Amino acid sequence: AQSVTQPDIHITVSEGASLELRCNYSYGATPYLFWYVQSPGQGLQLLLKYFSGDTLVQGIKGFEAEFKRSQSSFNLRKPSVHWSDAAEYFCAVAAYSGAGSYQLTFGKGTKLSVIP
Amino acid sequence: DGGITQSPKYLFRKEGQNVTLSCEQNLNHDAMYWYRQDPGQGLRLIYYSQIVNDFQKGDIAEGYSVSREKKESFPLTVTSAQKNPTAFYLCATEKRQGGYGYTFGSGTRLTVV
Repeated sequence: AQSVTQPDIHITVSEGASLELRCNYSYGATPYLFWYVQSPGQGLQLLLKYFSGDTLVQGIKGFEAEFKRSQSSFNLRKPSVHWSDAAEYFCAVAAYSGAGSYQLTFGKGTKLSVIP
Repeated sequence: DGGITQSPKYLFRKEGQNVTLSCEQNLNHDAMYWYRQDPGQGLRLIYYSQIVNDFQKGDIAEGYSVSREKKESFPLTVTSAQKNPTAFYLCATEKRQGGYGYTFGSGTRLTVV
């Protein structure tokens, strides 16, 4: 069965600093990988996704992620964090579940705090 | 605009009562999902449905029930058998045949009083 590990429960960075959120996955086949962001009391918003091809993917809000098969990782990065980036971030891996559907398995999330 | 509507946003339940959470979508997505979110636990899958009139149990289905009579609707009932129902509940949809990921509603916070 697939699984996702986000090693950091909580990260604090200063505004303007760079950010890297870690994600490791376990899946037997070529993975579909996702990063979502959640503001308090809200649903999840898709930041970016990796299906195949270029291992560096660009997303919304200036985020990017790099797929490294050898390390089973899909880390999320941003060069300069803004105060509005404070939220919880979830990594997910998709496994085919039949009938054209893919079931997502989520990590437990990393909460990002930003110091002004 | 297409989207997912979850209602109500806040719900209070007395112990021993059943309550139903609504999830409606106009995205024309085939698959729908219900997740439960607790602090530090991430998202846990309750039920999912890939087509109308069919649904499958997820990892934590005990104490919950669902129906899928229409493509647009996937209501979740939290029964009195669910011993710890206080949580944030999220509904999601999926456009099949592409691995596009899920689109999420804005959630319902259920509190037992």
